[in-house]
Amino acid sequence: AQKVTQAQTEISVVEKEDVTLDCVYETRDTTYYLFWYKQPPSGELVFLIRRNSFDEQNEISGRYSWNFQKSTSSFNFTITASQVVDSAVYFCAPLMRGGGSEKLVFGKGTKLTVNP
Amino acid sequence: KAGVTQTPRYLIKTRGQQVTLSCSPISGHRSVSWYQQTPGQGLQFLFEYFSETQRNKGNFPGRFSGRQFSNSRSEMNVSTLELGDSALYLCASSRERRELFFGEGSRLTVL
Repeated sequence: AQKVTQAQTEISVVEKEDVTLDCVYETRDTTYYLFWYKQPPSGELVFLIRRNSFDEQNEISGRYSWNFQKSTSSFNFTITASQVVDSAVYFCAPLMRGGGSEKLVFGKGTKLTVNP
Repeated sequence: KAGVTQTPRYLIKTRGQQVTLSCSPISGHRSVSWYQQTPGQGLQFLFEYFSETQRNKGNFPGRFSGRQFSNSRSEMNVSTLELGDSALYLCASSRERRELFFGEGSRLTVL
């Protein structure tokens, strides 16, 4: 089965705290892409990062960083020095391939609330 | 460059009616995907179109259909609406095997 588990349903932190959002996935594909999206209250899913399964080097983009571990099928996301504007629902989503097509398989999401 | 545009943003229908939602992808993107988001089921894949052909379909009943035009714009239709069809419908466009860019969605309420 292809599925994604985001075990943390909701997280609440105080501004400037670091926070890590967990993601564990299952896939039959030997090569694949992994994505993180952010969904603010407006509803639009905002692309954050794409990672391919070939590259296990961790990535940092400003206050965001991602830890990809293929051996444990995990792709965790850390926000350093969180800000109120980071409050949103965050989704992890592998891109699954099948039948000549591709689709994102989303986790249930983690709702992050950053309090001032 | 303009993002993915979805219309209408909000709509209210009654059971048994049908609805058509529209999606204009980012210029140059030929793949358009549709997702349904509900509090209970989360984000679920509906279908994907590429060059006017449906390439993949999720596990939804036949009341859900879609199409893509030659300019890559896409529409999805839901017939015989049920209360459970109330959801945020998200459209995403992409180039081949690249990140999907989403629109703001069409929020459908079925009464």
